[in-house]
Amino acid sequence: DTEVTQTPKHLVMGMTNKKSLKCEQHMGHRAMYWYKQKAKKPPELMFVYSYEKLSINESVPSRFSPECPNSSLLNLHLHALQPEDSALYLCASSRQGFVAVTDTQYFGPGTRLTVL
Amino acid sequence: AQSVSQHNHHVILSEAASLELGCNYSYGGTVNLFWYVQYPGQHLQLLLKYFSGDPLVKGIKGFEAEFIKSKFSFNLRKPSVQWSDTAEYFCAVNKKSSGDKLTFGTGTRLAVRP
Repeated sequence: DTEVTQTPKHLVMGMTNKKSLKCEQHMGHRAMYWYKQKAKKPPELMFVYSYEKLSINESVPSRFSPECPNSSLLNLHLHALQPEDSALYLCASSRQGFVAVTDTQYFGPGTRLTVL
Repeated sequence: AQSVSQHNHHVILSEAASLELGCNYSYGGTVNLFWYVQYPGQHLQLLLKYFSGDPLVKGIKGFEAEFIKSKFSFNLRKPSVQWSDTAEYFCAVNKKSSGDKLTFGTGTRLAVRP
């Protein structure tokens, strides 16, 4: 089983709203990731959590706030977003992350976010 | 910083044609290499990966890729494509020393005509 689930599938929000994206995996993976994918572009890494601790923040604006409540869950809290933040937000997980020299990331289906 | 290049942005083939998609990376150290596929409306799926050993790697759905270290390349191949292979294909690389940071190429959009 290599399933990563994400909710919601679609989200429309205004620039003053606060919303959250949720990601879940039950593969026992200890690394989880958030990526942003604009249309016709490759995924771009935003955050990495390894063993529930934030290990990489790719200079993402503070209006995006990640949270890892436990090893199976990863949230992305959104506040005061801009229209240019509209994109597909992908979650991924891998067995060990940076502690492993060989590791494979498995991706969820994504949340398509539209900011009005 | 490492980078990944996919020079074919759009490829159009007829069914049964052979496929080769190019992937070159810039990092000179030891790397892990991946090909992911994104079918229309679906999520990124792993096609194949190379960590070490035999440089010719076989993946799912009849795809294979060859790692040529001297050329910093990891090209994807399939002898005979099907209409269902229509998708976007991404090459991705990470350094063995930082297994979590995956860098993607810009992607190749493949359209297979029935």
